[in-house]
Amino acid sequence: IAGITQAPTSQILAAGRRMTLRCTQDMRHNAMYWYRQDLGLGLRLIHYSNTAGTTGKGEVPDGYSVSRANTDDFPLTLASAVPSQTSVYFCASSLREGSLNTGELFFGEGSRLTVL
Amino acid sequence: GQNIDQPTEMTATEGAIVQINCTYQTSGFNGLFWYQQHAGEAPTFLSYNVLDGLEEKGRFSSFLSRSKGYSYLLLKELQMKDSASYLCAVLDSNYQLIWGAGTKLIIKP
Repeated sequence: IAGITQAPTSQILAAGRRMTLRCTQDMRHNAMYWYRQDLGLGLRLIHYSNTAGTTGKGEVPDGYSVSRANTDDFPLTLASAVPSQTSVYFCASSLREGSLNTGELFFGEGSRLTVL
Repeated sequence: GQNIDQPTEMTATEGAIVQINCTYQTSGFNGLFWYQQHAGEAPTFLSYNVLDGLEEKGRFSSFLSRSKGYSYLLLKELQMKDSASYLCAVLDSNYQLIWGAGTKLIIKP
């Protein structure tokens, strides 16, 4: 693994189904993020984690949950998918020490999710 | 509320120069970033400005004026591979990134 890896790259699922998007990084970055990207809108933060064992809500957290059991992994779960969650999801990581955030994000290749 | 504005789309000619503007209104300021995103790919880091002035990096330069809430990305000697979306993002007082919707740059031969 080099950098940050997401899986699956693409998925179609029926509304009401549960779905987990996986994200793994090997850069030992403290902070990890999940964004969604929709046409005409900027990247919107769903959830974030500043360090292993902690998570926080972003701008659009409803319908999503995350966990950060260790430094490397940051899965995103849709408990019961709805069509409005059709989007491209990007996982990202950054080096962050306390309140110091270099701000430079390293992104995974994205997961294209379609909810029917 | 927090807001970042940039043009939706711009067109330029191969070999020319193009300037992509970004204006922002955010809760605090801890730096401004430009990212490049090719269609169907992940964004990649281009530049970071936290002090006023121009930062040059090869064919790309980024300018910041904090008093005006304004930045631009300048691309020189345009190449076809520069066709991409360019995302402006501001690090706010909580050290969270606020993103603009991006500017799609189309390069014509």
